[in-house]
Amino acid sequence: AQTVTQSQPEMSVQEAETVTLSCTYDTSESDYYLFWYKQPPSRQMILVIRQEAYKQQNATENRFSVNFQKAAKSFSLKISDSQLGDAAMYFCAYKSNFGNEKLTFGTGTRLTIIP
Amino acid sequence: DAGITQSPRHKVTETGTPVTLRCHQTENHRYMYWYRQDPGHGLRLIHYSYGVKDTDKGEVSDGYSVSRSKTEDFLLTLESATSSQTSVYFCAIRWDSSYNEQFFGPGTRLTVL
Repeated sequence: AQTVTQSQPEMSVQEAETVTLSCTYDTSESDYYLFWYKQPPSRQMILVIRQEAYKQQNATENRFSVNFQKAAKSFSLKISDSQLGDAAMYFCAYKSNFGNEKLTFGTGTRLTIIP
Repeated sequence: DAGITQSPRHKVTETGTPVTLRCHQTENHRYMYWYRQDPGHGLRLIHYSYGVKDTDKGEVSDGYSVSRSKTEDFLLTLESATSSQTSVYFCAIRWDSSYNEQFFGPGTRLTVL
């Protein structure tokens, strides 16, 4: 069974600075997807960024980028130029590409932005 | 906005009563999901559907049933609610793209007293 681990329950960063959130996962599969979701106080789950395992290039979406290390099974999220609106819970998630419909989530990292 | 609504958004009920949560989508996505979110567990899959009348169990399906009689509606039923089912429930749809991303509804907070 796949597992996703987020070892940082809480992180904080100064506004305009850069922060990196860690995620590791365990799988025996070679073809899968990885995602980062953001959950602000409104409770809405918002997809931030996604990565396919067979793509070597790290995904980037505006100020958000990932460092995908397949051999190390690591998928960290970097937020550049942090803004107050980035304050939220961030969840890393794994999905197999072999017919398993389940998204496996980590337990989340709460990010605080310091003005 | 993936066009997903959930109703009710908040509900308080008593142990032993039946509860039905509704998920409605407006874009004819084939796959729909129900997750629950609890502190320390992230989100966990309860059931999912891959078409009208086609459903399958997730990892925490005990005590829950689902139905999908129309493409746009996916119902989650707690036949006899227990306090352990107090949680936030999220519906999701799967986007038909190469990433198979899942997009989530706004959530329903259910409290079982």
